[in-house]
Amino acid sequence: DQQVKQNSPSLSVQEGRISILNCDYTNSMFDYFLWYKKYPAEGPTFLISISSIKDKNEDGRFTVFLNKSAKHLSLHIVPSQPGDSAVYFCAASEAGNQFYFGTGTSLTVIP
Amino acid sequence: DAGVTQSPTHLIKTRGQQVTLRCSPKSGHDTVSWYQQALGQGPQFIFQYYEEEERQRGNFPDRFSGHQFPNYSSELNVNALLLGDSALYLCASSLGGGGYQETQYFGPGTRLLVL
Repeated sequence: DQQVKQNSPSLSVQEGRISILNCDYTNSMFDYFLWYKKYPAEGPTFLISISSIKDKNEDGRFTVFLNKSAKHLSLHIVPSQPGDSAVYFCAASEAGNQFYFGTGTSLTVIP
Repeated sequence: DAGVTQSPTHLIKTRGQQVTLRCSPKSGHDTVSWYQQALGQGPQFIFQYYEEEERQRGNFPDRFSGHQFPNYSSELNVNALLLGDSALYLCASSLGGGGYQETQYFGPGTRLLVL
């Protein structure tokens, strides 16, 4: 059973606009969430994280929002740049135990 | 600062064979986790090693085994390979036994093809 879901396999956005990537989870015990970015032929690169005690975390152009009641998190990228084109994975864990990953969303930023 | 390294980068094996993959964690990290990423899927947790012991294990059969050395590097062994074992195998390192809210940093992966 997939505990972390990314229902949009792909997303295309114009350069300079906002990219919004979504992630849903089913386990209410998850308390730590991360976003990773993956280029072809490379391993996932850590992007940003959020603890369940927060509902927002910001790092430069990247902001992650957490809605615990809806079991939903989203990653906002503003403004989007062509170099942001990659596959984005969300991941979740409970108390530092194993991480569960979504299936990824492929983002294409069009110049 | 050296990141996570993995070897080899690519590997081709036949069904029934055994394979060993290697991982060196990021400098200063003492915990290594292994993941399998099949095509079109997210990484699936195999197991985690800390202080040379298997600390956690995902839903993988006993054909998958591992080891951690005193220098924190790790090996993943897969016996009796099946076609379905073809995947990208990722190693991730972290600090302190993968404790509460520790971020994992990934290596580039080893792509295994089983024929």
